[in-house]
Amino acid sequence: AQSVTQLDSHVSVSEGTPVLLRCNYSSSYSPSLFWYVQHPNKGLQLLLKYTSAATLVKGINGFEAEFKKSETSFHLTKPSAHMSDAAEYFCVVSDLASGGSYIPTFGRGTSLIVHP
Amino acid sequence: DTGVSQDPRHKITKRGQNVTFRCDPISEHNRLYWYRQTLGQGPEFLTYFQNEAQLEKSRLLSDRFSAERPKGSFSTLEIQRTEQGDSAMYLCASSLDHSTPQRKGSRTNYGYTFGSGTRLTVV
Repeated sequence: AQSVTQLDSHVSVSEGTPVLLRCNYSSSYSPSLFWYVQHPNKGLQLLLKYTSAATLVKGINGFEAEFKKSETSFHLTKPSAHMSDAAEYFCVVSDLASGGSYIPTFGRGTSLIVHP
Repeated sequence: DTGVSQDPRHKITKRGQNVTFRCDPISEHNRLYWYRQTLGQGPEFLTYFQNEAQLEKSRLLSDRFSAERPKGSFSTLEIQRTEQGDSAMYLCASSLDHSTPQRKGSRTNYGYTFGSGTRLTVV
């Protein structure tokens, strides 16, 4: 069985300061992991993905995430927040579920608030 | 190909009516997924197809929900006898996925592309 936990429902930062959005997962096999962003009234956009290659993954808009198997974590970071980063962020795990299906499972989301 | 298209963008219906939503995936993608998203929550998986085969449908919310992908291209999601609790955003996604479940860990997934969704309001 697979699951994903986003540890913070809201994260508030000042513009120009680092961003850390936390994600922990549980998986029986070798998961694929993703981060998606959803701006208000917009569709879900893929930020980055981990699919068993390099553990440090670079995505769009300066975001990156590190896969740590020992900690079952896939935290999203950015060195310097911009006002345009304010959005909802979702961590997603996709693993071999029961019945042989790969089903992407979303976390509940973390709302990133950026103050001027 | 401009991505995943969903139609309509918005649907308002009276309780008890049937509604049908359409999703057109990226043409070369072999997998298609349906999700439901309510306010303040992450998308909730409903069902998915590999080509025309519906491989997982146990997560459909009730027997009022059904989905088809008859030719392995576009898909429809139907909700019969709608209830106010069905009001939500219904999202479709597609992916190109080369998976061999018999060999655990042997898999290539290029990510999931989402449509903009259909917002359903049941009054």
